[in-house]
Amino acid sequence: NAGVTQTPKFQVLKTGQSMTLQCAQDMNHEYMSWYRQDPGMGLRLIHYSVGAGITDQGEVPNGYNVSRSTTEDFPLRLLSAAPSQTSVYFCATGDRGTEAFFGQGTRLTVV
Amino acid sequence: RKEVEQDPGPFNVPEGATVAFNCTYSNSASQSFFWYRQDCRKEPKLLMSVYSSGNEDGRFTAQLNRASQYISLLIRDSKLSDSATYLCVVSDRNKLVFGAGTILRVKS
Repeated sequence: NAGVTQTPKFQVLKTGQSMTLQCAQDMNHEYMSWYRQDPGMGLRLIHYSVGAGITDQGEVPNGYNVSRSTTEDFPLRLLSAAPSQTSVYFCATGDRGTEAFFGQGTRLTVV
Repeated sequence: RKEVEQDPGPFNVPEGATVAFNCTYSNSASQSFFWYRQDCRKEPKLLMSVYSSGNEDGRFTAQLNRASQYISLLIRDSKLSDSATYLCVVSDRNKLVFGAGTILRVKS
């Protein structure tokens, strides 16, 4: 039982490149979300999903796309990476209004 | 104004001390409340949920005041291993909103 698995753990991108951060859960939770964490800013919600086929924007959605074709997977796509997207990204899953379980994070650097 | 506000600290305390963290939230419709702990460069993990009646888990006590939109966390008999960042979290329907965190450093 892996819980929440994020890949990759580390990534360096050049400005303008695109990539997908993967998130998979085996906890059968309906709710999944992506956060970014920057120094002094706490975790900010990028996008979230309340079930397969349903996604919505969070606080900082610009430059990111998501899709939720299955309950288990919630990939985050960076369309054209920018240095401002250098951050630590966390995927989380849970049931509505209850504890969230986080992946180990992806440390992304855009140069 | 941020939805969830915390004093960033750091709080530097000796082992055995009692320390309290406070948090305020702006959305009066918020439904669930939590404290999470985050160790350096790790993912956040749930420390405890917060209930209106107040709740205690060992050395940790959490309080919620809905009228004042205020949440607190009290840590008694601080241990070196309590050194971490403590995140106040508020649930708003489908979203968890995080405070920026309070840094605690416990020193021997």
